Amino acid sequence: ILNVEQSPQSLHVQEGDSTNFTCSFPSSNFYALHWYRWETAKSPEALFVMTLNGDEKKKGRISATLNTKEGYSYLYIKGSQPEDSATYLCAFQGAQKLVFGQGTRLTINP
Amino acid sequence: EAQVTQNPRYLITVTGKKLTVTCSQNMNHEYMSWYRQDPGLGLRQIYYSMNVEVTDKGDVPEGYKVSRKEKRNFPLILESPSPNQTSLYFCASRLRPRGAGNLYVQYFGPGTRLTVT
Repeated sequence: ILNVEQSPQSLHVQEGDSTNFTCSFPSSNFYALHWYRWETAKSPEALFVMTLNGDEKKKGRISATLNTKEGYSYLYIKGSQPEDSATYLCAFQGAQKLVFGQGTRLTINP
Repeated sequence: EAQVTQNPRYLITVTGKKLTVTCSQNMNHEYMSWYRQDPGLGLRQIYYSMNVEVTDKGDVPEGYKVSRKEKRNFPLILESPSPNQTSLYFCASRLRPRGAGNLYVQYFGPGTRLTVT
């Protein structure tokens, strides 16, 4: 059974602070690692699809890194804003399908 | 606008009363799937479809049926719903960009919150 773990499960951050959280995944049979942003009552939205060890992606204040050899990815948010409040999902893409972590629920306190 | 739509968004029903949740995508995607989201668990795949008339079980298919008669639609059918099927359901479709090998981007619908009493 593939296990994708995200930590922490929830996080409260003061507006303006930077934060990061982790996705751990199997290091074998790896195709890609997906990050999604999911706001309550909306569709999860793709942020990044990462494939190469050492890869780093950036979208505005959000960036992600990938280590396929040790099986982890970090998502960073710089200068958190209230609109960053959401659940962030990672998903391991193996040969057959996407396997999702349970998500990190981020709340930005004004 | 490219999107995946689901209906209804909210549904409260009783045990044993058949229901269908519709899903439609306007992006001409071949691959579609259904997930359920439960507290403390990741999205779990129920069923998926690689193309019209091609469907297969995901990780948690018990109690569900699907059909794929047209490329754009992928309804989820609960023939006899039970309380353990109370959950948040997501439909998704995905695009395999040309030249990208096995990479793809997955698009989700807005979710259907189902309560079975």
